[in-house]
Amino acid sequence: DAGVIQSPRHEVTEMGQEVTLRCKPISGHNSLFWYRQTMMRGLELLIYFNNNVPIDDSGMPEDRFSAKMPNASFSTLKIQPSEPRDSAVYFCASSLGHGRNTIYFGEGSWLTVV
Amino acid sequence: DAKTTQPTSMDCAEGRAANLPCNHSTISGNEYVYWYRQIHSQGPQYIIHGLKNNETNEMASLIITEDRKSSTLILPHATLRDTAVYYCIVRPNNNAGNMLTFGGGTRLMVKP
Repeated sequence: DAGVIQSPRHEVTEMGQEVTLRCKPISGHNSLFWYRQTMMRGLELLIYFNNNVPIDDSGMPEDRFSAKMPNASFSTLKIQPSEPRDSAVYFCASSLGHGRNTIYFGEGSWLTVV
Repeated sequence: DAKTTQPTSMDCAEGRAANLPCNHSTISGNEYVYWYRQIHSQGPQYIIHGLKNNETNEMASLIITEDRKSSTLILPHATLRDTAVYYCIVRPNNNAGNMLTFGGGTRLMVKP
C-alpha cells in the first residue's frame, strides 16, 4: 500500500518566490493534516481538513500561507511570497474518519528559502 | 500548554530494553495516550496507544499506571534502528481528537 505521498521532497527557493507543496493522502482516508517542523518550534499543526473541508486552520501562520483540498486525493500548501523564516520541513498526514484513528505521515517536504 | 512531560534525552544499550517515561497528570477520562516516533529525516511513525489497560504490539509495550497520570513505553530489545525522537501524546476520544499535538519528545540514543 502506498503511504502518504508528498512532493517535492526537497526545494530551495529564493525569498519572494511562490512555493507549492503537494500531498496525496492514503486512498480512502478522509482527514488530511499539514504540519510544519522547525528546530525552534518542533512539530506544529497548520491546518486540518475533513472530507475536503478545512476544519481548523488556526495554525496557519499568516496570510502568506494557504491550503486547498480540491478533491479527496490531493491537497496543496502554498506560500506566497516565501520568506527565509518559512524554511522548515512540511509534513502531510492522513487518517480515516474523525476521532482517534491512526494518523499516518508522509516523508516531508524540506523547504529552504534563501 | 503542554499536556505531557518527557525527559529530553535517554541512552540505551543495544539489545537491552528501553523504557521511556511520560507524565500526563492532567489527563482526563476520555483521553488516550499515544506514542509516535520520528527517525531522523523521516515523518512521525505511529507506535502504540492505550486508554487504561496495558497494550502490546509488534513494536512495543505500553504500561499505563492505574491512576493514568503516567505511562511507560517499552522497547523490549532496542536496536540501533530504534534511535529516534519518541513523542508521548494525549489525545481526546472525540472529533477534536483527530488532531495530534506534539511536544518536545524524548531523544533516544541506542548505543552499540
